[in-house]
Amino acid sequence: KAGVTQTPRYLIKTRGQQVTLSCSPISGHRSVSWYQQTPGQGLQFLFEYFSETQRNKGNFPGRFSGRQFSNSRSEMNVSTLELGDSALYLCASSSNAGAEEKLFFGSGTQLSVL
Amino acid sequence: AQSVTQPDIHITVSEGASLELRCNYSYGATPYLFWYVQSPGQGLQLLLKYFSGDTLVQGIKGFEAEFKRSQSSFNLRKPSVHWSDAAEYFCAVGGHFGNEKLTFGTGTRLTIIP
Repeated sequence: KAGVTQTPRYLIKTRGQQVTLSCSPISGHRSVSWYQQTPGQGLQFLFEYFSETQRNKGNFPGRFSGRQFSNSRSEMNVSTLELGDSALYLCASSSNAGAEEKLFFGSGTQLSVL
Repeated sequence: AQSVTQPDIHITVSEGASLELRCNYSYGATPYLFWYVQSPGQGLQLLLKYFSGDTLVQGIKGFEAEFKRSQSSFNLRKPSVHWSDAAEYFCAVGGHFGNEKLTFGTGTRLTIIP
């Protein structure tokens, strides 16, 4: 069974641009979550999608948005990039929310904003 | 609001020695607690989790953790570390239903010396 796939692996953008990151969950998984990892703030929850609906949201500005498609693939978009958006963005999938369900993380997309 | 504290930023142990990584949490109800490991340039892998029942939980790679409600702690232990255990370790507390909207600690970097 293939794991969680995130593309691209590395991305370099300049301030003010926008970026779209992609996440393909494990086959059969309907929940996709996104996390931002930075040296200063650590791992922070961005949002979670389940069956194309945003089910949970973290404390990030509206520049950060996401969506989920009918095949459970998810994208997140960051508009008007700032230097502080440089981070490793991790996607995780699971069958559903709940303590019994295991989260599987992808290797992440490393975004650098210049 | 829930929070997780990992007081040790960096720990160095000799190969074959025992290991204990500390984690304290703040959560209003019975917490869902997790330990994840991250190798350089990789995503997160679940080591173990606690959500009810026996307070001593066993995980993968020979790790175990003990939930102590009175101390709000969930410390990770391993009796004998291997060089391959060198990585960053994150403690996390889950949301109302378990693994959604994880709040992570700042992580403990583990170095193994021969």
